[in-house]
Amino acid sequence: KAGVTQTPRYLIKTRGQQVTLSCSPISGHRSVSWYQQTPGQGLQFLFEYFSETQRNKGNFPGRFSGRQFSNSRSEMNVSTLELGDSALYLCASSLTGQGFYDEQYFGPGTRLTVT
Amino acid sequence: GNSVTQMEGPVTLSEEAFLTINCTYTATGYPSLFWYVQYPGEGLQLLLKATKADDKGSNKGFEATYRKETTSFHLEKGSVQVSDSAVYFCALSVANAGGTSYGKLTFGQGTILTVHP
Repeated sequence: KAGVTQTPRYLIKTRGQQVTLSCSPISGHRSVSWYQQTPGQGLQFLFEYFSETQRNKGNFPGRFSGRQFSNSRSEMNVSTLELGDSALYLCASSLTGQGFYDEQYFGPGTRLTVT
Repeated sequence: GNSVTQMEGPVTLSEEAFLTINCTYTATGYPSLFWYVQYPGEGLQLLLKATKADDKGSNKGFEATYRKETTSFHLEKGSVQVSDSAVYFCALSVANAGGTSYGKLTFGQGTILTVHP
């Protein structure tokens, strides 16, 4: 069974631009979560989607948004990029998104560098 | 709110040494506890988990016991190998009364482990 895939793996953008990252979950998984990983803040939850609906959201500004398609693939978008948005963005999928019952499987991440 | 605190790293050990990485948590609701491992250039892999008090999770020689009385979930391995060198994250997921915190894991800051031959 194929794992979680994320594209692209690396991105370099300029301040003020916008960026879209893509995540394909494991087949059959309907929940997709996004995380930001930085050396200073560690791993922080961005949001979670299930059946094309955002069910949960972390404490990030509105410049960070996402969506999910009917095949469970998900995208996240960051508008008006800032230097502080440089990070590894991780996507994780699970069957239900209810961590008490099932576990999340992570992709390799997209490394975003903002210059 | 919910939070996870891990021991400060980095941790450097010789091969076959005993490993302990401390993890304590605060949580509202009923947490499940996890240890994830991240190898260089890769995403996170689930190492083990426990879903209720006194449960012991184990995998690949690693163990951790869910201690509700001390709100801890310390990771241990009796004999580490060079291949265990990685970053280890303790995490929790909470099932609140009336619902769940959908799709959200709360992570500790991570502990870098380096094992020398």
